[in-house]
Amino acid sequence: DGGITQSPKYLFRKEGQNVTLSCEQNLNHDAMYWYRQDPGQGLRLIYYSQIVNDFQKGDIAEGYSVSREKKESFPLTVTSAQKNPTAFYLCASSIVGRNSGNTIYFGEGSWLTVV
Amino acid sequence: DAKTTQPTSMDCAEGRAANLPCNHSTISGNEYVYWYRQIHSQGPQYIIHGLKNNETNEMASLIITEDRKSSTLILPHATLRDTAVYYCIVRVQHGSSNTGKLIFGQGTTLQVKP
Repeated sequence: DGGITQSPKYLFRKEGQNVTLSCEQNLNHDAMYWYRQDPGQGLRLIYYSQIVNDFQKGDIAEGYSVSREKKESFPLTVTSAQKNPTAFYLCASSIVGRNSGNTIYFGEGSWLTVV
Repeated sequence: DAKTTQPTSMDCAEGRAANLPCNHSTISGNEYVYWYRQIHSQGPQYIIHGLKNNETNEMASLIITEDRKSSTLILPHATLRDTAVYYCIVRVQHGSSNTGKLIFGQGTTLQVKP
């Protein structure tokens, strides 16, 4: 079945370490997104990409980095510069195109905890 | 800030219809109404969206009032697995200025009871 796969589901990071969260989609969607969700809070956009080899900062990009070398993959690196990285991270994707709709679909999420 | 207002919580008996209301009195003409739900520790699941006409899919129905200031999500035969937080969102479907912007309010916690 088509969908968005995030891994790992749970990840523990020591302070000062970089970690990378994987996101793969087989929906043939052009756009991919990364969000952060804190307990009891809404979603905040970290980065998004509408085409391969291009990406844009969202509202809270500081301390994060991404790459988009392939259409189906959009990994997120949480760097040591991110001061409060413990959160639930969500990857999402959508079609891009005025006549196709751009409903955003989500993966199952990854829990990152700093220890 | 979210442009929608939803009740904090609702209960529904299993097998009955669940009707979840949403107020969006400041909705713009080019904004769609989207519904998602989220079960704890999982990603939000898309349910349905609409502009001004009522919509139905295999999961739910969406009823939008004629003035578009409110809408109702209907789960026709609620099951225990429908217990979740339901979010009503308004957003422009296209446009670079809002790319990826999904403003989730507090949502409605629907508890389906046996």
